[in-house]
Amino acid sequence: QKEVEQDPGPLSVPEGAIVSLNCTYSNSAFQYFMWYRQYSRKGPELLMYTYSSGNKEDGRFTAQVDKSSKYISLFIRDSQPSDSATYLCAMSLGFDSNYQLIWGAGTKLIIKP
Amino acid sequence: GEEVAQTPKHLVRGEGQKAKLYCAPIKGHSYVFWYQQVLKNEFKFLISFQNENVFDETGMPKERFSAKCLPNSPCSLEIQATKLEDSAVYFCASSQYPGTNYGYTFGSGTRLTVV
Repeated sequence: QKEVEQDPGPLSVPEGAIVSLNCTYSNSAFQYFMWYRQYSRKGPELLMYTYSSGNKEDGRFTAQVDKSSKYISLFIRDSQPSDSATYLCAMSLGFDSNYQLIWGAGTKLIIKP
Repeated sequence: GEEVAQTPKHLVRGEGQKAKLYCAPIKGHSYVFWYQQVLKNEFKFLISFQNENVFDETGMPKERFSAKCLPNSPCSLEIQATKLEDSAVYFCASSQYPGTNYGYTFGSGTRLTVV
């Protein structure tokens, strides 16, 4: 079993829809949770960062961490065609793991105009 | 500059040949991380540096892979005697504060194809 599970999709939704992306994980010691967006042939770009549990909002993006369920989510409101990309969750123990990131497989998101 | 520069963008090597990849981190970032992205988006940690010192090399296949970060030079990742399974995109990321919301800034990657 992988440490971080993420549905690879593709997930196709119409423009303007609310998108929900999720990851589950097995290591309860993870403290840092991140969502990256990766466009084709580009490097990952940090979208959201959360330390421990809770919600974080930034514009149209909301990240949620539920440590009791070992489940994290990314919500995208008013989705745009430019949001079409692969979304990767990543987690870390922080200093205890020398800041290594453990990655999900990525979900390919397609926003249809 | 404010971007991580990776060269070359593409590299094709015959099996058994050497491959060398370069990464110029963002100025002022003291940490450099190398990740390998294989099929199905699987990212695998290889090695990290704090300035010119190896910080964590637990992901490196030591028999064929080596890496350096020397002062005033781009960091490098070298693969001796490449194998077909080394075909992947190699990403370099740099960070000033890796355990914070500053996170990592990734380069655009080097796509290595071993034929």
